[in-house]
This record gives sequence, C-alpha cells and structure tokens, in this order.
Amino acid sequence: AQSVTQPDIHITVSEGASLELRCNYSYGATPYLFWYVQSPGQGLQLLLKYFSGDTLVQGIKGFEAEFKRSQSSFNLRKPSVHWSDAAEYFCAVGAPGGGNKLTFGTGTQLKVEL
Amino acid sequence: DAGVIQSPRHEVTEMGQEVTLRCKPISGHDYLFWYRQTMMRGLELLIYFNNNVPIDDSGMPEDRFSAKMPNASFSTLKIQPSEPRDSAVYFCASSRSKGDSGANVLTFGAGSRLTVL
Repeated sequence: AQSVTQPDIHITVSEGASLELRCNYSYGATPYLFWYVQSPGQGLQLLLKYFSGDTLVQGIKGFEAEFKRSQSSFNLRKPSVHWSDAAEYFCAVGAPGGGNKLTFGTGTQLKVEL
Repeated sequence: DAGVIQSPRHEVTEMGQEVTLRCKPISGHDYLFWYRQTMMRGLELLIYFNNNVPIDDSGMPEDRFSAKMPNASFSTLKIQPSEPRDSAVYFCASSRSKGDSGANVLTFGAGSRLTVL
C-alpha cells in the first residue's frame, strides 16, 4: 500500500522568502504524485501533479515540484512567498491504474510573516 | 462547470440522529470519492465509486456509515446513528479516468462540516 510522509507540521516564512515543503512517499513503482492546497473552510485545490516525464513540474500560483525517484521525494517549492500563500498544503500519492484513489499526507500548515 | 457540489455545508445534530450528506459530482466524471478530515487522523478515504458501483469501502469506520450512488450525478453518505466522534469535515471528490491532462485528477467539493453533540 502506498503512503505519504510530510515531516513538517508547521512552517513559518517571511513574505518574499523562498519556500520548500517536503514530501516523501512509499510505493513500489513510480506513482502519481500531487500537491493540493487548502485554505480555511475550503476544499482542496490542485496545485500541480506528476504522472511521468519531466521530473520538474510547474503548477499554479508560481509553485513547482521536483520528483526525485532516488529519494522517493516530491518536494514543493516557490521562489518568493506571498502573504496569500498562507494555507495548509497536502501531498498525495496515487497508484497508476489503481482507480484514481489518493492517499494523503498529514499536511503542512504554512504561516507567512509580513 | 459548477464543480463538485456538497450539501449541507454545515450540520449540527444530536447524538443518535441520522445524518445524510449529499454530493453532486462533475458531469462526465466516472469516479466519486468520500473523504473525512479530522485533526487527529487527517484526510481518510472512506469509500469510492466507479461508474456508480462501490469499489472499495474498506475505509468506512463501521456499520453506522453507508454510502450510495444511485446515478452518475448524485451520491449520499449516511450516518445512523450519529456519535460525537463522527464530528469532522466530510469531502466529496470526483475524477475521470480518461481524456486529456485533466484525467486522474481529483476535484474536491467545499466539504460538509458535521458536528454531533
């Protein structure tokens, strides 16, 4: 069974600083990988996804993530954080051909200091 | 498209009462998922359907929980009787298995926040 670990529960960064949120997965082959963002009281919005091909993927709102097979990681990055990026971020893994279901990490709460 | 529509957005009920949560998936999506989110357990997959057929209900906590999908545009999650530990946000999500780059991506509804007193 697949699993996801997000080791950082809370992260605080200053506005304008760079950001990296960590995600490690466990799966026997190359999985489908996703990052979602959740603002308070809202549902989850897709930031970006990786299925295959180029290991650096671009998403919405200036986010990117890099798939590193050797490290079983899919870390999320943003070069310059905006105050509006404060939210909870979830990494998720899915099995290709596994019925589209996703297993989510426990989330990382991002706080942005002005 | 209006996205995934869930109702009610908020529900407050007393222990022992029946609760029904509703979901309308995106038209053309052939997968539907019910997730539960709590502080203690995060996001848990309860059950999912493919073409209206339940595929995996191993995440349903106990027999008090049931889910149906009578047609491609409607699903319900029912809790009977409800207990305080069922308090959570319940999300419905849908996806399609075929097509362009949008395939295999879950789109979530805004959630139903349930409080059982």
